[in-house]
Amino acid sequence: NAGVTQTPKFRVLKTGQSMTLLCAQDMNHEYMYWYRQDPGMGLRLIHYSVGEGTTAKGEVPDGYNVSRLKKQNFLLGLESAAPSQTSVYFCASTQTGGVGGYTFGSGTRLTVV
Amino acid sequence: GESVGLHLPTLSVQEGDNSIINCAYSNSASDYFIWYKQESGKGPQFIIDIRSNMDKRQGQRVTVLLNKTVKHLSLQIAATQPGDSAVYFCAGVHNQGGKLIFGQGTELSVKP
Repeated sequence: NAGVTQTPKFRVLKTGQSMTLLCAQDMNHEYMYWYRQDPGMGLRLIHYSVGEGTTAKGEVPDGYNVSRLKKQNFLLGLESAAPSQTSVYFCASTQTGGVGGYTFGSGTRLTVV
Repeated sequence: GESVGLHLPTLSVQEGDNSIINCAYSNSASDYFIWYKQESGKGPQFIIDIRSNMDKRQGQRVTVLLNKTVKHLSLQIAATQPGDSAVYFCAGVHNQGGKLIFGQGTELSVKP
């Protein structure tokens, strides 16, 4: 039982480059979330999904896009990376609205230079 | 707006003492709250949760208190140990989409 797996764990991008972060869960969870965490701050919600084929904006969605083509995967894309997107990104999932708790991935540390 | 905030950014306690970490929330769209522990380089780890129909819940060495009147939560850790050193976050679960709204965190340091 792997839980929530994020790939890659680390990445350095140049300004303007694009990349996709992958979140995969094997718990058959309906809801999935992408957060970013900056130094000295709590996690802020970027985008989320309440089911396959659905996505919604969170608190800080600008500069990011997401897709949930398969229930077990939630992809976060950066089309044109900016230094302000340097952060640690966490993915989380839960069954429905928090029932049973949330499972977090171990994070992706992204640096944009 | 929606927010969950913490009173203190850092807390230092002596090993064996009790720790109390506080959290205030401003929105009424959460009826479920969770405390997380985050160690350096790791994701948030569930500690304890509480629903709005309760005012207290106890776990192993941890207790969460909820005061809905003043919109305040606290996490109490009994007999704090060095392994408890971490950043602690409270989070409210928003009724829409089950979104977790996090506070900024309190860094707990345990002195031996």
